[in-house]
Amino acid sequence: DAGVIQSPRHEVTEMGQEVTLRCKPISGHDYLFWYRQTMMRGLELLIYFNNNVPIDDSGMPEDRFSAKMPNASFSTLKIQPSEPRDSAVYFCASSSFLRGYGYTFGSGTRLTVV
Amino acid sequence: AQSVTQPDIHITVSEGASLELRCNYSYGATPYLFWYVQSPGQGLQLLLKYFSGDTLVQGIKGFEAEFKRSQSSFNLRKPSVHWSDAAEYFCAVVNTGNQFYFGTGTSLTVIP
Repeated sequence: DAGVIQSPRHEVTEMGQEVTLRCKPISGHDYLFWYRQTMMRGLELLIYFNNNVPIDDSGMPEDRFSAKMPNASFSTLKIQPSEPRDSAVYFCASSSFLRGYGYTFGSGTRLTVV
Repeated sequence: AQSVTQPDIHITVSEGASLELRCNYSYGATPYLFWYVQSPGQGLQLLLKYFSGDTLVQGIKGFEAEFKRSQSSFNLRKPSVHWSDAAEYFCAVVNTGNQFYFGTGTSLTVIP
């Protein structure tokens, strides 16, 4: 099992540009979560999906943020337009409700908006 | 409402010394509790988890944690710390909707 795969590992972009972060969950996991981690705010849940359906997006900071899960093996988090305050590490995690809980995290995408 | 408190922001221990990281939770039902470790530049790795049964659970890397319902605590322990244990440690509780609530983390420094 390759684990949760995120790409890119690092992203540097200019303010105003569109940024797309990608995640491939573990095969068979039916939950997918997007988290943002900063020094100031710690780990923040942005949105999560169950069986490809968004369940709770109350953590998405603004309309500039959007997430999709077109199928069970792929999800994207998009920021358009990006701003310097979006600079953070973005983690994707997946989980299987039937396997006794527990998230498996990806290695994260470090986003820097200049 | 569910929540997790890690009262210690930063802890420093000497290599070979024992370690205890504190975690207090707030949850109305029987909690499902977890400890994760995050090394610099890495994602979070599951150390151990508690669902039910024996209140002392063993995890990877020689860590253990004890669930104490009367104190609403789930403290993480290790009898002898290694330099490689320096990392950020997160306690978490999960609700019935499989949504995690993480604590703010405890940063561990290990000195020779």
